[in-house]
Amino acid sequence: SQELEQSPQSLIVQEGKNLTINCTSSKTLYGLYWYKQKYGEGLIFLMMLQKGGEEKSHEKITAKLDEKKQQSSLHITASQPSHAGIYLCGADRTGNQFYFGTGTSLTVIP
Amino acid sequence: DVKVTQSSRYLVKRTGEKVFLECVQDMDHENMFWYRQDPGLGLRLIYFSYDVKMKEKGDIPEGYSVSREKKERFSLILESASTNQTSMYLCASSRLGQVRSGNTIYFGEGSWLTVV
Repeated sequence: SQELEQSPQSLIVQEGKNLTINCTSSKTLYGLYWYKQKYGEGLIFLMMLQKGGEEKSHEKITAKLDEKKQQSSLHITASQPSHAGIYLCGADRTGNQFYFGTGTSLTVIP
Repeated sequence: DVKVTQSSRYLVKRTGEKVFLECVQDMDHENMFWYRQDPGLGLRLIYFSYDVKMKEKGDIPEGYSVSREKKERFSLILESASTNQTSMYLCASSRLGQVRSGNTIYFGEGSWLTVV
């Protein structure tokens, strides 16, 4: 089973709509990454959350970390076609190993 | 800007061939990683290295080996390629430490390997 579960697995939204992607960990979260991947390409770093209750924003993307719930959410406001891609959450295990969720595929219809 | 460069974007190899995937980073990072990405399975860690000549197995090391002779370069080797190794391979690097320390992981563009 995955240590990081993302939901939903895929999402299709109309341009201009808001959406939320969730990332839930089976273990205590001490920090979390969010990445975006365009199809067939590498991962682009979006933001990193280090503390429980932390919230960060970049343009129309906001991410929150809830350590008690072992969960993080990524919210996109007024989605645009440029937001389309695969969103992945990632975290670290012990030492320097980093692992990732299965990803959420986002399609934005103009 | 940090740059992680993977030498080949697209490769087609025959079953049984030896395959080398090269990765170079320019930020003097201690950590380097190799992942493979498959639909429905996400990113799975194959190997990682936290120093020159040091390596640790990830979740799926079988059928792979790695080499880190220089700090900036981390190679993934498929000793005898098989069709189930057809995948997207992603290299990444980071400073030593964990996300709690504020370290970011940087990824390369990926290498699409098809084994026929």
